[in-house]
Amino acid sequence: QKEVEQNSGPLSVPEGAIASLNCTYSDRGSQSFFWYRQYSGKSPELIMSIYSNGDKEDGRFTAQLNKASQYVSLLIRDSQPSDSATYLCAVNPQGGKLIFGQGTELSVKP
Amino acid sequence: NAGVMQNPRHLVRRRGQEARLRCSPMKGHSHVYWYRQLPEEGLKFMVYLQKENIIDESGMPKERFSAEFPKEGPSILRIQQVVRGDSAAYFCASSPPGLAGDSYEQYFGPGTRLTVT
Repeated sequence: QKEVEQNSGPLSVPEGAIASLNCTYSDRGSQSFFWYRQYSGKSPELIMSIYSNGDKEDGRFTAQLNKASQYVSLLIRDSQPSDSATYLCAVNPQGGKLIFGQGTELSVKP
Repeated sequence: NAGVMQNPRHLVRRRGQEARLRCSPMKGHSHVYWYRQLPEEGLKFMVYLQKENIIDESGMPKERFSAEFPKEGPSILRIQQVVRGDSAAYFCASSPPGLAGDSYEQYFGPGTRLTVT
């Protein structure tokens, strides 16, 4: 089992729709969870962090965490073509390093 | 620009040469992390450093790779005797000071694209 798994893409949504990205992790002791966005040929950009169960909203982005199910998700409301990128789920099991999922490629069609 | 800085942005080396990648963390950050992204693969942790200390090198290949973060100057990732399989994007990230083991948001630099010919 991979340490961090993301739903396979690519995910295609029409402009204005909600994009839902999912991630599961294997280390039950993990405490910190992050979503990064990576455009092709660029570096990862932090867009959300979440540390406790529940929802965290920031603009059009909502991160959801369920530690009992070892599940974290990212919702993007009112998706825009500029949101088209690869989204990386990252988990900090302990000690500072991040374990990344393989990423989900999102395509928002105008 | 107070972001994470990396240089060079692109580096071409012949097999057997040495590659030196540099990273200056964000202002006020004292934790540095190196990650590698191979073509069509995910980001993989390599090493975590604080000033003059290697905190976690569990992701570093056992041979040819080394990293340092001296008291003065940038962090350096060194790859000796490069091989074609070392061709990848190498990213540095930094986070604010805190106790080792605390989890802080990590901010990435633009990366160094290493090509081994």
